[in-house]
Amino acid sequence: DAGVTQSPTHLIKTRGQQVTLRCSPISGHKSVSWYQQVLGQGPQFIFQYYEKEERGRGNFPDRFSARQFPNYSSELNVNALLLGDSALYLCASSPGGGDQPQHFGDGTRLSIL
Amino acid sequence: GQQLNQSPQSMFIQEGEDVSMNCTSSSIFNTWLWYKQDPGEGPVLLIALYKAGELTSNGRLTAQFGITRKDSFLNISASIPSDVGIYFCAGPASGGSYIPTFGRGTSLIVHP
Repeated sequence: DAGVTQSPTHLIKTRGQQVTLRCSPISGHKSVSWYQQVLGQGPQFIFQYYEKEERGRGNFPDRFSARQFPNYSSELNVNALLLGDSALYLCASSPGGGDQPQHFGDGTRLSIL
Repeated sequence: GQQLNQSPQSMFIQEGEDVSMNCTSSSIFNTWLWYKQDPGEGPVLLIALYKAGELTSNGRLTAQFGITRKDSFLNISASIPSDVGIYFCAGPASGGSYIPTFGRGTSLIVHP
């Protein structure tokens, strides 16, 4: 069975640009969460979606937005990119919402020049 | 907001040695999760704990949910080179919050 898949694997953007990252959850999983991981730190929670509705939001500016589609896949959008947005963006899925253990994809490495 | 403190920050050990690491929280947790992350990959779930005092094993790994619900421990017995990686504790605090929080990780290096 396929795990959580994310695309693209790597991405290079310049300051001020916009980016869209994509995630497909494990088949049967209805919840998707997004995390930002900078070097040397643990993942920081950005959003959680369950059944296409936002269930939780971390401490990130409004430049960050996300949505979940009827097939439970998800997109993370970041506008007006800053140098500090350079990070590994991880997507995780779980069967439902709440505190069920999440299974992670291998992430999208975003570099801002 | 809640904080997770992991220690030690890094460990350098010889193959065959046992490893212990821990995680403490400023808030009570309902669930404790332990993940391992290899370079270039996402975190992989190792063990999930759901009850205070619970002791759970997964092969050479053993984790415990602290009685106070503010700490957890992970032990690795007879370490091998493929144990190298970064180990994270994580979990949502109680009180209705399910926003998952991760520690900063313990980096493990195993010398053959």
